[in-house]
Amino acid sequence: AQTVTQSQPEMSVQEAETVTLSCTYDTSESDYYLFWYKQPPSRQMILVIRQEAYKQQNATENRFSVNFQKAAKSFSLKISDSQLGDAAMYFCAYRTPSSIKAAGNKLTFGGGTRVLVKP
Amino acid sequence: DSGVTQTPKHLITATGQRVTLRCSPRSGDLSVYWYQQSLDQGLQFLIQYYNGEERAKGNILERFSAQQFPDLHSELNLSSLELGDSALYFCASRSGGGTDTQYFGPGTRLTVL
Repeated sequence: AQTVTQSQPEMSVQEAETVTLSCTYDTSESDYYLFWYKQPPSRQMILVIRQEAYKQQNATENRFSVNFQKAAKSFSLKISDSQLGDAAMYFCAYRTPSSIKAAGNKLTFGGGTRVLVKP
Repeated sequence: DSGVTQTPKHLITATGQRVTLRCSPRSGDLSVYWYQQSLDQGLQFLIQYYNGEERAKGNILERFSAQQFPDLHSELNLSSLELGDSALYFCASRSGGGTDTQYFGPGTRLTVL
């Protein structure tokens, strides 16, 4: 079974600085998708960024970027120019590939990292 | 706003009772997923429906069941509730295809007293 591990329960960053969140996963598949979701105090799950395993280029969405190391099964999220609104729980998630029909493309989540932004 | 709606937002009930959580997916999305977020278990996949049919099951208890109706809305039924069932229950929907993302509703907060 796939597992996703986020080893940092909490990270603190100064406003306007950069913070990097770690995520590692375990899978025997070669094709899959990885996501970072943000959960602010409102509890809404908001997609931050996604990465297809077959793409070597790291995904970027404005101030958010990933460092995808497929061989190392590592998928870190970098938040640049941190803003107060970035304070939230961040979850790394793995999605089973479409080829495995029985899996239904469910998401497997890590335990989350809480990001605190200091003004 | 993700376009996925869930009702009710909050639910408080007693042990042994039965509740129904409702989810309306984004317009056009055929897949509905249910997830449970609790303090001790984290975010866990429960069950998925695709166009009315069950597609995949996760760690869903036998006391829990779900269905997806012809209009594509879904209901999650929780029965014989226990204190440990207190959690945030999310519904997510996906349109299909290989790379489409799951969009989450705001969740239903269930408290079992």
